[in-house]
Amino acid sequence: SSELTQDPAVSVALGQTVRITCQGDSLRNYYASWYQQEPGQAPVLVIYANNRRPSGIPDRFSGSGSGTTASLTITGAQAEDEADYYCNSRDSSGNPSFGGGTKLTVL
Amino acid sequence: QVQLVESGGAVVQPGRSLRLSCAASGFTLSNFAFHWVRQAPGKGLQWVALISYDASDKYYADDVKGRFTISRDNFQNTLFLQMDSLRPEDTAVYYCARDPSITGDVYFDFWGQGTLVSVSS
Repeated sequence: SSELTQDPAVSVALGQTVRITCQGDSLRNYYASWYQQEPGQAPVLVIYANNRRPSGIPDRFSGSGSGTTASLTITGAQAEDEADYYCNSRDSSGNPSFGGGTKLTVL
Repeated sequence: QVQLVESGGAVVQPGRSLRLSCAASGFTLSNFAFHWVRQAPGKGLQWVALISYDASDKYYADDVKGRFTISRDNFQNTLFLQMDSLRPEDTAVYYCARDPSITGDVYFDFWGQGTLVSVSS
């Protein structure tokens, strides 16, 4: 099982704000990154270093981190944001590790 | 533009070997660390292996340690994953991913499209 814990599923009404969380002890020492994955597609980086957004990612995506929790927030969710979201950081051995993923449904 | 293209996926019997390749273009391979990440059908992402920019450091997930070997050829702009003693639980889409981090953190800024490995008798 993953050392990074995510809620399996979250839903949000169109245009509303949703927060997806990732919990793990390693987040005290390492930044988190977040990936969006649509069905049949490769993951796409949406947030790195807890709160930095790569070029080309809409500014409705933001990230934060405090203690053992990292969060991905989508402000004004769009239909195209419906996807699986994975957090990533390091585990207790120092190896990269992913959370179990959160399926986001936009209602 | 940055491109990563995996190849080599196939259907193989348990105990056999397979070598995956990841061809890179649009950037200088030797400037980056790389990872292999896999995703079993209907499951989440699982980190598999890491190789540093100059191949001096290699790390593996416990599930594959001793069976898989990551390598790179910076002149051919290619990353490899040699997979030996394959098991049914190795069945997954395998992605190569670039890691631009220069700190102790890790993240993956570009991914290939993936190549499917199916281990079945």
